[in-house]
Amino acid sequence: AQSVAQPEDQVNVAEGNPLTVKCTYSVSGNPYLFWYVQYPNRGLQFLLKYITGDNLVKGSYGFEAEFNKSQTSFHLKKPSALVSDSALYFCAVRDPYSGYSTLTFGKGTMLLVSP
Amino acid sequence: GAVVSQHPSRVICKSGTSVKIECRSLDFQATTMFWYRQFPKQSLMLMATSNEGSKATYEQGVEKDKFLINHASLTLSTLTVTSAHPEDSSFYICSADGQQYEQYFGPGTRLTVT
Repeated sequence: AQSVAQPEDQVNVAEGNPLTVKCTYSVSGNPYLFWYVQYPNRGLQFLLKYITGDNLVKGSYGFEAEFNKSQTSFHLKKPSALVSDSALYFCAVRDPYSGYSTLTFGKGTMLLVSP
Repeated sequence: GAVVSQHPSRVICKSGTSVKIECRSLDFQATTMFWYRQFPKQSLMLMATSNEGSKATYEQGVEKDKFLINHASLTLSTLTVTSAHPEDSSFYICSADGQQYEQYFGPGTRLTVT
């Protein structure tokens, strides 16, 4: 079974509008959750993570995400999108069942921000 | 801080030859590094976990004799694709564990086997 799901292949938003990229997980226990961004032909850049503590985590470039245990979600949000935010976004999880040793990635969501 | 480099960024080789990709942690020591493979418009697939001074741990379905991993120092892991074939063409990405469970990724290596 897939540990982390990103239900949208692509999200389109106009510059200046708020954006949300969805992520849900299906692991038991207390998962560690991450968001990464990938620009074309590049490696992944770390955006933010949830390990413990405050459910709302703030990360790089104005992004934030909220850990919702009841809905098993960790959606990525930004109040005002920029054209330069256009990229491929990956949600990832470290599973307590595996001792948090490896990352499992969602399939990715392409974010397109139009001018 | 936490910069990971990869070399080369692109490589083209002929079928049947071997290719070595280097992954370096530039400003920190990495006991554990990871190697991923990414197909176009797809997610990252973990190939193996590379542990300094010991044998790599390969994921199910990854041929350890084909994808040789060496992690001889705390700042360098290498992936050698042996007897490469066109189906090995892919984007290979390495990463290293940070201090608080995040991973830091290299820029990737585009391998094309002709």
